[in-house]
Amino acid sequence: NAGVTQTPKFRILKIGQSMTLQCTQDMNHNYMYWYRQDPGMGLKLIYYSVGAGITDKGEVPNGYNVSRSTTEDFPLRLELAAPSQTSVYFCASNFGQSRGDTQYFGPGTRLTVL
Amino acid sequence: SQKIEQNSEALNIQEGKTATLTCNYTNYSPAYLQWYRQDPGRGPVFLLLIRENEKEKRKERLKVTFDTTLKQSLFHITASQPADSATYLCALKASGGSYIPTFGRGTSLIVHP
Repeated sequence: NAGVTQTPKFRILKIGQSMTLQCTQDMNHNYMYWYRQDPGMGLKLIYYSVGAGITDKGEVPNGYNVSRSTTEDFPLRLELAAPSQTSVYFCASNFGQSRGDTQYFGPGTRLTVL
Repeated sequence: SQKIEQNSEALNIQEGKTATLTCNYTNYSPAYLQWYRQDPGRGPVFLLLIRENEKEKRKERLKVTFDTTLKQSLFHITASQPADSATYLCALKASGGSYIPTFGRGTSLIVHP
């Protein structure tokens, strides 16, 4: 199993440009998540999905969009990049059991908006 | 408001000593708490989970305690090694409500040879 994979690893965007961060998992997990992590800060939840076709906002959704057309893929879209979106983005997945379930994280995408 | 606090200052210790990291929380009724390890340039990796009715959990050189009266979890690494140097994140899941845990900022551990 490859686990959770993310592409690209690094990206530099100009203000106003758009891009899609890709996330794929091969563990048949129902739940998938997108987080951002700023230096010295914890992980902030952007969006999450409990299954194909179902998405919901997290703590910091403004400026982002997601879709979940398959169980495996959960892309994150930035429509009009702003410097405040400079961050490291992590995708994660799990089975979402309420009694406690490990989240498996991807290696991250480091995004810089200039 | 709900808060999860981890010491923002790095913890520096000598190899062979026990490292102790703290995770404090306020205004939560916890269901469980998790600890993750994060190396530079990588995603967090799960280490241990402890539930609200458990006092202690162990895994090899790792030990986690959970005191719901003090609203605190302690994470211990015994016989620490330079390879243990990393950032350690705690994540708290509240009982009821969202099934998604909230992460602390993490504490950097540096083990000196």
